[in-house]
Amino acid sequence: KAGVTQTPRYLIKTRGQQVTLSCSPISGHRSVSWYQQTPGQGLQFLFEYFSETQRNKGNFPGRFSGRQFSNSRSEMNVSTLELGDSALYLCASSRPETGNTIYFGEGSWLTVV
Amino acid sequence: AQSVAQPEDQVNVAEGNPLTVKCTYSVSGNPYLFWYVQYPNRGLQFLLKYITGDNLVKGSYGFEAEFNKSQTSFHLKKPSALVSDSALYFCAVRDLFRDNQGGKLIFGQGTELSVKP
Repeated sequence: KAGVTQTPRYLIKTRGQQVTLSCSPISGHRSVSWYQQTPGQGLQFLFEYFSETQRNKGNFPGRFSGRQFSNSRSEMNVSTLELGDSALYLCASSRPETGNTIYFGEGSWLTVV
Repeated sequence: AQSVAQPEDQVNVAEGNPLTVKCTYSVSGNPYLFWYVQYPNRGLQFLLKYITGDNLVKGSYGFEAEFNKSQTSFHLKKPSALVSDSALYFCAVRDLFRDNQGGKLIFGQGTELSVKP
């Protein structure tokens, strides 16, 4: 069974640009969430989607947005990139019930220069 | 608000010795607790979880964790450490959304485990 797939794995962007990251969840998983990992702030929750609806959002500026498609695949977008957006962005998927395990992808490494 | 704390930034263990990575939590209601491991330049790998039931939870790669409600702890343990266990370990609690559906993970700051030969 394929795991959570994230693309691209590595990317370099310039300040002011925007970026879109993609995530394909494990087959049958309809809940997708995104996390940002940085050395200073650790792992922080960005948003959670279920059935194409955002049902939970972390404390990030409006430059960070996401969406989920009918096939449960998800994308997140960061506009007007800042140097501080350099991070590992992790996507995770699970079945919706809270007790279920959340599985993570390998992440997308974003460097903003 | 839900939170977890990992009091040790780094744990050093000799190969073959038992290891413990500590985690304490603060939640309202019943806790949903998880341990993940992260190898360099990789994502998070699920090790084990406590939802309900037996306080001793067994997980992947020989790891186990003991849920202690009175001490609000969920320490990760392994009887005999391997050099390949060297990695970053995260404890997490699930912050429940309504109707027990979904909910974000709240992570501790991570503990770097170093196992020396």
